Amino acid sequence: DTEVTQTPKHLVMGMTNKKSLKCEQHMGHRAMYWYKQKAKKPPELMFVYSYEKLSINESVPSRFSPECPNSSLLNLHLHALQPEDSALYLCASSQERRGITGELFFGEGSRLTVL
Amino acid sequence: SQQGEEDPQALSIQEGENATMNCSYKTSINNLQWYRQNSGRGLVHLILIRSNEREKHSGRLRVTLDTSKKSSSLLITASRAADTASYFCATAGSSGNTPLVFGKGTRLSVIA
Repeated sequence: DTEVTQTPKHLVMGMTNKKSLKCEQHMGHRAMYWYKQKAKKPPELMFVYSYEKLSINESVPSRFSPECPNSSLLNLHLHALQPEDSALYLCASSQERRGITGELFFGEGSRLTVL
Repeated sequence: SQQGEEDPQALSIQEGENATMNCSYKTSINNLQWYRQNSGRGLVHLILIRSNEREKHSGRLRVTLDTSKKSSSLLITASRAADTASYFCATAGSSGNTPLVFGKGTRLSVIA
């Protein structure tokens, strides 16, 4: 099983809503990532979890709240978002090798629209 | 920033031709990776080349790395319409706990 599964595929939410994006992998990877990608731009790193602990937070606003409940699951909780937060949110995982990043396995992404 | 910079930003070729994309970066790296992304989809890993390697092949893909020039190239031979996608290079820093950073990407169009 070499898949990273993201749900939902599409999400439309108002600025006052609370929603969550979910990501799951069963490859035994101990590093998991959230990236944000705007149209025609490269993915931008948001968060990195290593062994279920948050290891990198790229100065992401607090309206985005990550959670790693176990080694297979990664959530991104969304609250009070702004229209400019509309983007494709990508989850990825990789083997953990003493902090050196190897191949990332990406999910298909969650397309978020904030009205 | 160690962010890679690809050129060209966009490339349009005929089916059967070769496509070459270049990537430059700024700081020392442990490895450099190339990814492909079809429109609106997730990224797919193509190939990883380590800092002590100079060239690597995978099927129709050939990647070179010149650490003295801090640059890499991706060659796709005998291109097909299905190769139409965006291609990103990504660098992993040589010190620990540095995440993968993606370049701006090259949009490749292969015309049948």
